[in-house]
Amino acid sequence: GAGVSQSPSNKVTEKGKDVELRCDPISGHTALYWYRQSLGQGLEFLIYFQGNSAPDKSGLPSDRFSAERTGGSVSTLTIQRTQQEDSAVYLCASSLEVSNNQPQHFGDGTRLSIL
Amino acid sequence: AQSVSQHNHHVILSEAASLELGCNYSYGGTVNLFWYVQYPGQHLQLLLKYFSGDPLVKGIKGFEAEFIKSKFSFNLRKPSVQWSDTAEYFCAVTTYGNNRLAFGKGNQVVVIP
Repeated sequence: GAGVSQSPSNKVTEKGKDVELRCDPISGHTALYWYRQSLGQGLEFLIYFQGNSAPDKSGLPSDRFSAERTGGSVSTLTIQRTQQEDSAVYLCASSLEVSNNQPQHFGDGTRLSIL
Repeated sequence: AQSVSQHNHHVILSEAASLELGCNYSYGGTVNLFWYVQYPGQHLQLLLKYFSGDPLVKGIKGFEAEFIKSKFSFNLRKPSVQWSDTAEYFCAVTTYGNNRLAFGKGNQVVVIP
């Protein structure tokens, strides 16, 4: 069975541009999470989705960040007007359900570099 | 918010040596605890987890961790490491009603053949 799939694997863009990062969770997993991994901050939670419930956006660092999950499956993380401090590896994870005893399975991440 | 502390960010040891990585968390309620491993060039993988029951948890590749509630700790151990254990190890916690993983800063472990 396929794991969590993320695309692109690498993205280089100029400061001020918008970027979209995609995540395809494991089939049947209803919960989907976004994290980012950066040198200074380690691994930080951004947002999670569970089915049709309102997402928990409490980890998004600014209003330039947004995410959608269409049809309860694929998710897109959008960063508008990118800044150099947005450079990081953006990780997506999924789990069978939003339950804190369900392990989260991670994708390979998207390495985002802002010039 | 809960926080997770990992000490000794860089660890270098020889094959067959024993490994212990410390993890402490700050949360007074019910917790679920995880160790994830990230091998070079690979994605984060679950090494082991603790939800309830026996506080000594055994995971993959000979790793184990012990939950000591009184010390708010969940230390990872392996009696004899191999070169292939070279990786970054992350301790993480979720708390009751909060499904977000809170991660420690990680331990970069290098095993010298």
